[in-house]
This record gives sequence, structure tokens and C-alpha cells, in this order.
Amino acid sequence: GENVEQHPSTLSVQEGDSAVIKCTYSDSASNYFPWYKQELGKRPQLIIDIRSNVGEKKDQRIAVTLNKTAKHFSLHITETQPEDSAVYFCAAIYNDYKLSFGAGTTVTVRA
Amino acid sequence: DVKVTQSSRYLVKRTGEKVFLECVQDMDHENMFWYRQDPGLGLRLIYFSYDVKMKEKGDIPEGYSVSREKKERFSLILESASTNQTSMYLCASSPSSPLHFGNGTRLTVT
Repeated sequence: GENVEQHPSTLSVQEGDSAVIKCTYSDSASNYFPWYKQELGKRPQLIIDIRSNVGEKKDQRIAVTLNKTAKHFSLHITETQPEDSAVYFCAAIYNDYKLSFGAGTTVTVRA
Repeated sequence: DVKVTQSSRYLVKRTGEKVFLECVQDMDHENMFWYRQDPGLGLRLIYFSYDVKMKEKGDIPEGYSVSREKKERFSLILESASTNQTSMYLCASSPSSPLHFGNGTRLTVT
């Protein structure tokens, strides 16, 4: 299946600063890249996604960029707040509807 | 709002037991998935189903089987539970994308 690598594994930022998480994927046929946020004890929830026909997508304080040539995509969170503390997973689709996930990034926002 | 319900939040089973994890979705989605979540490994696909009675192996199917007799229900079966199957199990459903997850079942095998 698809191989998705995610970095860093942990990220600590000061409240108000930006956070960036980077992922790479191996299957050049992948065309859908979602990001999930999982708060402690809760289910993963979709926060933003991007398809391969666009290079960037933004939703308020979060944005995702995609570089298909280099096969990498990134999540950007600006003006971080304590409620942004969670585990974030990137994913890439393969074989039409299977999602392969990265190992996750634990983000801690320090007040 | 999509609802994916996993029947148990916590389960404790003994080695060698047969274990059933149940998942029900209420949105008439064709696709249903079982993932396993372990620290440092992310979410790994065990099995998925794209229609009733249809199933396909994911990346780590060994030691597991599945059943989908009705569109809304997808069961994960551990034929003979082992301690290395202690994990968080997440069910998900989707019409195509994105995935909608259940709350998870934390299974401990002793």
C-alpha cells in the first residue's frame, strides 16, 4: 500500500505561534490528502483536506499545501491556541478509497 | 451528522478467546473500514468492505477476519486473541471520502 511518513512526531509551540507538520507519500497516483485531529480520548476528526488538482487550501487558521512533484504535503496552523493541542494525522488515498495514515504528530500549545 | 457506533468502548479478553468487535453506521455508506491505532504507528488498515458480503484485506489482516451481512454493520473478528492484538480499534465509514470514525474500542488481551 501507500507509505506515508510524517514529521515531526512531537511539536511544542508557544500560544500564538505557528505550527507546521510535514508529510511525504510514495504512490504518485494518490489524489486525496486529508488531515485528522484527534483530541485525547476522542475519535479522529477531519479538519481539512486537499485534492491533487489544487496546490493550497485554507480554512480560517489552518491551511494545507501540496507539492505533487515532490510528493509532499504540509499542514500549517497559525495563531495557535490551547485547544489546538492534539494529535494530528496526515493521510493519502491509494487504490481509490483506502487511506494510509502517517504515524501522527503530538502538538502541545504552551500558554 | 454521520454516526458511527462501536458497541464497546473497553474490552478485556483472555488469550485464545474469540472476540467480536461490532460497528454500525447510520448513513447508508458503501464503504466501511477497520483500523488499528498504536502509539508511534498511526492508524493501520486491517480490513475494509465496499459492499455487503464484499471485503478486502488491508495492510495488517493477519489474525483478523470480518463480516458484513448488512450494509450498516461491519464486524471485526479475532479468531484466537493474542496479547499482540492489544490495541485501540477504530471503525470508519465513508461514501467515498472522507472517513467518519467511531469512538474506538480499546481491547486488552491478557
